[in-house]
Amino acid sequence: AQSVTQLGSHVSVSEGALVLLRCNYSSSVPPYLFWYVQYPNQGLQLLLKYTSAATLVKGINGFEAEFKKSETSFHLTKPSAHMSDAAEYFCAVSGVRGNMLTFGGGTRLMVKP
Amino acid sequence: DAGVTQSPTHLIKTRGQHVTLRCSPISGHKSVSWYQQVLGQGPQFIFQYYEKEERGRGNFPDRFSARQFPNYSSELNVNALLLGDSALYLCASSLGPSSNTGELFFGEGSRLTVL
Repeated sequence: AQSVTQLGSHVSVSEGALVLLRCNYSSSVPPYLFWYVQYPNQGLQLLLKYTSAATLVKGINGFEAEFKKSETSFHLTKPSAHMSDAAEYFCAVSGVRGNMLTFGGGTRLMVKP
Repeated sequence: DAGVTQSPTHLIKTRGQHVTLRCSPISGHKSVSWYQQVLGQGPQFIFQYYEKEERGRGNFPDRFSARQFPNYSSELNVNALLLGDSALYLCASSLGPSSNTGELFFGEGSRLTVL
């Protein structure tokens, strides 16, 4: 069984500040991990994914995430927030088959001018 | 190229009714998955179909069913609607059956309200 916990349902940062969104996972098998973004009234868009090739994963729009097995974490970061980053962010995990994703509850990122 | 398209975008039903939601995958994609997203929560997996066969089923009651057609489009059916079925229903498509090796592309969803 797999599960994902996202700490902080709401995160607020100032424009230009560091963005840090936290994700911890639980998996009985080596996990595949994903971050998705959802803008209002839209579907989900893949930001990045970890597939065991490298622990530091770079994604779109300047986001990156680091897989830390010892901490069972996959936190999402961006050095400098833009207003356009305001959205809901979801961390997800899948097993070996990859036929289903288990999502966390989401973190709403707000960016203040 | 068109992305994943879903219809209808919004609908309102009453308790006990039946609903059918439709999804057209990206051209060339053979896998379709359905997710339910209740307001304020993350999406929850309902079904995956690949090459017209069910490849996965989430923890949903038998009132939920789906199928995939020869052109790879898909329908999600929900019978005997309950208030708790109110949610955004997301369809996602991918080339192959695994999101580990390929990318899952999501549609904008069908928002169902049950009164």
